[in-house]
Amino acid sequence: EVQLLESGGGLVQPGGSLRLSCAASGFTFSSYAMSWVRQAPGKGLEWVSAISGSGGSTYYADSVKGRFTISRDNSKNTLYLQMNSLRAEDTAVYYCANLPIAVAGTGWFDPWGQGTLVTVSS
Amino acid sequence: SYVLTQPPSVSVAPGQTARITCGGNNIGSKSVHWYQQKPGQAPVLVVYDDSDRPSGIPERFSGSNSGNTATLTISRVEAGDEADYYCQVWDSSSDHFVVFGGGTKLTVL
Repeated sequence: EVQLLESGGGLVQPGGSLRLSCAASGFTFSSYAMSWVRQAPGKGLEWVSAISGSGGSTYYADSVKGRFTISRDNSKNTLYLQMNSLRAEDTAVYYCANLPIAVAGTGWFDPWGQGTLVTVSS
Repeated sequence: SYVLTQPPSVSVAPGQTARITCGGNNIGSKSVHWYQQKPGQAPVLVVYDDSDRPSGIPERFSGSNSGNTATLTISRVEAGDEADYYCQVWDSSSDHFVVFGGGTKLTVL
């Protein structure tokens, strides 16, 4: 069974940093692209970033470009999201999600992790 | 940037058919995916590539896509179908490579 488990969320001050992790199991991690999607409280889904299975290609939403960095360690079956210069508007539940192919650029998100809450506030 | 437009809410009685639309410029040329999200839970894929169903999703869930509108159809609606539903596409010309619709709250009366 494919499982994704996020961790690393919490309360951080504006301008601060946080690193999220997503531990994957039940599939050949390096064969699939991965993505982060967030959801602000009471709001809809917003795509944040994606990375190819090899880690060689990365993609970002304009709202986080230059502040967030997506990466992966295929030897540890783990996806990361380094978040710097955090703003109040980054407050959200962050989900990691699996894509059906090795390259990002197409496809659906399935499954999703349970999410981790990031709160940016002073 | 590419925009997907969903109605904020749809209401239907049990046993009836619910149709949730997702509008976008020439969306029929794209592959559309649909997610169900219940309160406090992560989204779940219910339809992919316009009309395919993942294993474990009831046949009551179906999708179509043509022109400027994609539609998620839920037949014989049950109380357990009450949830938020989101459509999604990829659009490389957008500032977001991935675009989600704003979501539709399905209420079962």
